[in-house]
Amino acid sequence: QSVLTQPPSVSGAPGQRVTISCTGSSSNIGAGYDVHWYQQLPGTAPKLLIYGNSNRPSGVPDRFSGSKSGTSASLAISGLQAEDEADYYCQSYDSSLSGFYVFGTGTKVTVL
Amino acid sequence: EVQLVESGGGLVKPGGSLRLSCAASGFTFSSYSMNWVRQAPGKGLEWVSSISSSSSYIYYADSVKGRFTISRDNAKNSLYLQMNSLRAEDTAVYYCAKIQLSTAALDYWGQGTLVTVSS
Repeated sequence: QSVLTQPPSVSGAPGQRVTISCTGSSSNIGAGYDVHWYQQLPGTAPKLLIYGNSNRPSGVPDRFSGSKSGTSASLAISGLQAEDEADYYCQSYDSSLSGFYVFGTGTKVTVL
Repeated sequence: EVQLVESGGGLVKPGGSLRLSCAASGFTFSSYSMNWVRQAPGKGLEWVSSISSSSSYIYYADSVKGRFTISRDNAKNSLYLQMNSLRAEDTAVYYCAKIQLSTAALDYWGQGTLVTVSS
């Protein structure tokens, strides 16, 4: 019952740039709430990748960038590397649900 | 170094109960709100519950409201999730996560503990 929609999968060759969209509505992203992104490598816990729409925590390569506009947000990975193969989730907040935190449906990034 | 270590998962029959714990270290636990997030096998992330630093504010997802109870013991640097009336659909890896003060992002996650509800 995710309220944030992401493409199930994206793929690219090493060195290419890929983008992942996160589409919400006027009760979440469109209401002005921040969007955060998490990376989940196979068999591991999620890790914060982007916070506050476009900020990278210490240690996250600048190949990862985030943006937000209207009711959507995007994560871009430039210079794709093999170690970027993982699941990626966006997250925001929703004012229409008692559920508070909302996650995206998740996107599997495959490096060809 | 921030560390969050969950424990208490296991196999439980439908209708049963389980209590998860999350031991925190490497930061001033009493100053931060905390979350539980779960992930069913092969599925995406689902927020379960949040608790503020002093336990004044508590929130639950509709899917667990009335069955799960979040709590914390700041003296023991520990977060808990009491799960009652468990259902098959509660089967998941349960993660505890620290909430970042400035943006409320989940900036640190534990390794997770698996809860399996099956007869």
